[in-house]
This record gives sequence, structure tokens and C-alpha cells, in this order.
Amino acid sequence: AAGVIQSPRHLIKEKRETATLKCYPIPRHDTVYWYQQGPGQDPQFLISFYEKMQSDKGSIPDRFSAQQFSDYHSELNMSSLELGDSALYFCASSPRDRGLGEQYFGPGTRLTVT
Amino acid sequence: EDQVTQSPEALRLQEGESSSLNCSYTVSGLRGLFWYRQDPGKGPEFLFTLYSAGEEKEKERLKATLTKKESFLHITAPKPEDSATYLCAGPDRGSTLGRLYFGRGTQLTVWP
Repeated sequence: AAGVIQSPRHLIKEKRETATLKCYPIPRHDTVYWYQQGPGQDPQFLISFYEKMQSDKGSIPDRFSAQQFSDYHSELNMSSLELGDSALYFCASSPRDRGLGEQYFGPGTRLTVT
Repeated sequence: EDQVTQSPEALRLQEGESSSLNCSYTVSGLRGLFWYRQDPGKGPEFLFTLYSAGEEKEKERLKATLTKKESFLHITAPKPEDSATYLCAGPDRGSTLGRLYFGRGTQLTVWP
């Protein structure tokens, strides 16, 4: 079965640089979520999109922005990177008819800021 | 503040030694509680959804149960491949679109 695809899998950036993370949801899933997971931490919700519109916003810094495109893929743009942004970034997708919490996570992008 | 709390933080079991993981929540108006499994460096994998007290779900050696205040993930005769971090999550009561609050997880190690 198709899974959520994230790219790149690993990314190394320097402070103050910009990064773009991409997410391709499972086909026919209409909701996309982004989470950030620091070392030893639980996943923290950043932002979500339903049918290409932002649907919910969590603890996402103003330096970050995201969007969902017409083909349902989503991108998380991160600017003025800080050391504390180093983390695993997960994208998840879900179909609306399967309930709110049944989310399917991608393998994640490991961002390292030096 | 809505909270999802898991215990214990870590659990070591010998293969075949059954046990239970706990998830307690203070989310008012809870609209479901969810269990995920996470392997190191990988994304969480959805396991179960529980919506009402008394509900039970099973999958292989795992059984999840829900009361009014807490949920348990029972692991029967675990195997080393069950080693992972098990996360409990609840939806944000103000969100109708799936924002999840995750607990800190229970790191389970099953040794042969």
C-alpha cells in the first residue's frame, strides 16, 4: 500500500539559512498534518491543511510557513533557521471518513542546523 | 490545560511476560483516544482508536481498552519485535480537524 512520502530524508543547514520540506500524502487523503519531534520528545503539532486550505495551527514559529498544493502535496518552508530547529519533522495524512486521530505518518525529515 | 500522561516511561519485559501500559487524560469532552507505535527514527504507526468507555480493540498481541479516565494497552506474551515506543494521543478539544496531543510515550524493550 502507498505510504506518505517525505523528502528529503536528511537535511543539514547552517544557522540563518532556509529549508523546504516536502510531503506527498497517501492518495485520496485530503488532510495533511505537520509535526515536529525533538530528541526524546513527543511529536508537537505544527499546522494542518484540509482540501488545500489551512485548517489548524499549532506551535509553529512565524519563521515557518506551509502550504498545500493542487495535487495535495504540502511543503513546509523554514527560514532564518536556528539551532533549536534541529528535529525530526513528520508529515501525516488522513482521510476524513476514518476519524480524526487515524493519521498515517511519513518516515520524517531529519533536519540538522549547525 | 488538556493533558495526556503515560506511564511508565520505560518498561523492560522478558519475552512472554505480559504487562500493561497506561494512558491517563484530562482532556475534557474527549473525542477519541489513539494509540501509536513508534520505532526509533521512524514516524508513528497508527494502532487503535477508542471512542467510548468500555470499548476494546485488539491487534495480534496488543489490546487497547478505555475507561472514563484512562486507557490501557495490554501486551500479551510480547516478543522482541514488539520493542518500540508506544504513544497515546488525544485530539485537541478545540480542534475539529485532527490536531493531536501526544503523551511522552512508554519505551518498551522486550528481551529474549
